[in-house]
Amino acid sequence: SQTIHQWPATLVQPVGSPLSLECTVEGTSNPNLYWYRQAAGRGLQLLFYSVGIGQISSEVPQNLSASRPQDRQFILSSKKLLLSDSGFYLCAWSVQGARSQQFFGPGTRLTVL
Amino acid sequence: RKEVEQDPGPFNVPEGATVAFNCTYSNSASQSFFWYRQDCRKEPKLLMSVYSSGNEDGRFTAQLNRASQYISLLIRDSKLSDSATYLCVVNDFGNEKLTFGTGTRLTIIP
Repeated sequence: SQTIHQWPATLVQPVGSPLSLECTVEGTSNPNLYWYRQAAGRGLQLLFYSVGIGQISSEVPQNLSASRPQDRQFILSSKKLLLSDSGFYLCAWSVQGARSQQFFGPGTRLTVL
Repeated sequence: RKEVEQDPGPFNVPEGATVAFNCTYSNSASQSFFWYRQDCRKEPKLLMSVYSSGNEDGRFTAQLNRASQYISLLIRDSKLSDSATYLCVVNDFGNEKLTFGTGTRLTIIP
C-alpha cells in the first residue's frame, strides 16, 4: 500500500533562517506531488506541484522554492523565512492523470518567530 | 468570485440530526468533485467522490448539479465523530491540480 511521510512534524524557526521540509512517498511510481500551505483559519493554498523529476510548477510568487530530486521525494525550501511563512504545510500525492484524488501526508506545523 | 465557495459555518447540530452543506464552483468545465474531511490540526482525508448521478456511502450522500454548478453533502443521523471541517474540492478538465474550498466547520452537540 502507498504511504506518504513528512518531517519534521513541528518546527519553530526564527525570521531569516533557512527552511527545508521533506516529503517522501512509498508504494507508488511516478506520482504527482504537491505542496500546500494552510494558514490559521484559512483554506488550503497550493504552492507547488510536480508531475515528474525536476519538473516544478509554482502557483504563487513567494520566497519558497521546491525541488524533486527523486521520483518519490519532494522538498520545500526557503533561504530566509518570513513571519508570514508560518502555517501548516501539507504534502500530497496523486496518481498521474486528471480526476484523481489526492492523498495527504501528516503535515508540518511551522511557526516563524 | 472564488473558484470554489463554501459557507464557512460553523454549523452546530444536535446528535442524530441531519445536516447538509452546499458548495458552488465557478468553472463550468470542472470535471471531478470530491468531499474531504479535515479534523482539527490534521491532514485532509477523502470522504467521498461525487458522481454525476449522485452517490451514497452509509449516512453520507453527495449530489452534483452541473446546471447550477454546485455540489452538496448530506449527513444523516449525525454522530459526535462527524465533527470536523468538510472541504469541497474540484478538479478542472485536463488539470492535474485540485482546487479546495475553505471548508465548512461542523460541530455535533451531544
